[in-house]
Amino acid sequence: DTAVSQTPKYLVTQMGNDKSIKCEQNLGHDTMYWYKQDSKKFLKIMFSYNNKELIINETVPNRFSPKSPDKAHLNLHINSLELGDSAVYFCASSQGFGEVNYGYTFGSGTRLTVV
Amino acid sequence: DQQVKQNSPSLSVQEGRISILNCDYTNSMFDYFLWYKKYPAEGPTFLISISSIKDKNEDGRFTVFLNKSAKHLSLHIVPSQPGDSAVYFCAARAGNNDMRFGAGTRLTVKP
Repeated sequence: DTAVSQTPKYLVTQMGNDKSIKCEQNLGHDTMYWYKQDSKKFLKIMFSYNNKELIINETVPNRFSPKSPDKAHLNLHINSLELGDSAVYFCASSQGFGEVNYGYTFGSGTRLTVV
Repeated sequence: DQQVKQNSPSLSVQEGRISILNCDYTNSMFDYFLWYKKYPAEGPTFLISISSIKDKNEDGRFTVFLNKSAKHLSLHIVPSQPGDSAVYFCAARAGNNDMRFGAGTRLTVKP
């Protein structure tokens, strides 16, 4: 029973395409996140949603649009993909703000390759 | 602007010895620090955390030390086991659940 599941695991697509990555968590958490791990291996926050409401929106091109249909899902849609979007994208969840002593639960990542 | 830094990209230790992973940070507003462990093709897994009001937290073989004046924390693993071989990420919370991660240190524990 995967706690945070992302699909697809691998995604290879051409420049200019539009693609979506889906994330679902079955932990009952009310906060979900998208992180990008770049070529230098840094994990950088992109978005955070709490109870379907956008909380954190880092400086990310507006080609990236998160969508949270309910507390258990946070999808990432990317328009007009560029070569520089190639990275591993991680979804994560946590219970509220303040429960950070238990950390986040991460999905296994989606490796996006733009060619 | 990398607020959390792990300056050692890799560390190799012998099984049974101590592993010490280091992390430095620049933002004095961080209130919580965490360590995550990551195996290949998996997401990071939470390992241990420490509040900024403490200087030590221990959980089994894992101990995290925090030196606020030096803006430095470290993770000690004693004794190290081959199964501990993974990438370890240091992370810090800047409020509002905004978690900042370091670039990771790859630990290899040799049998």
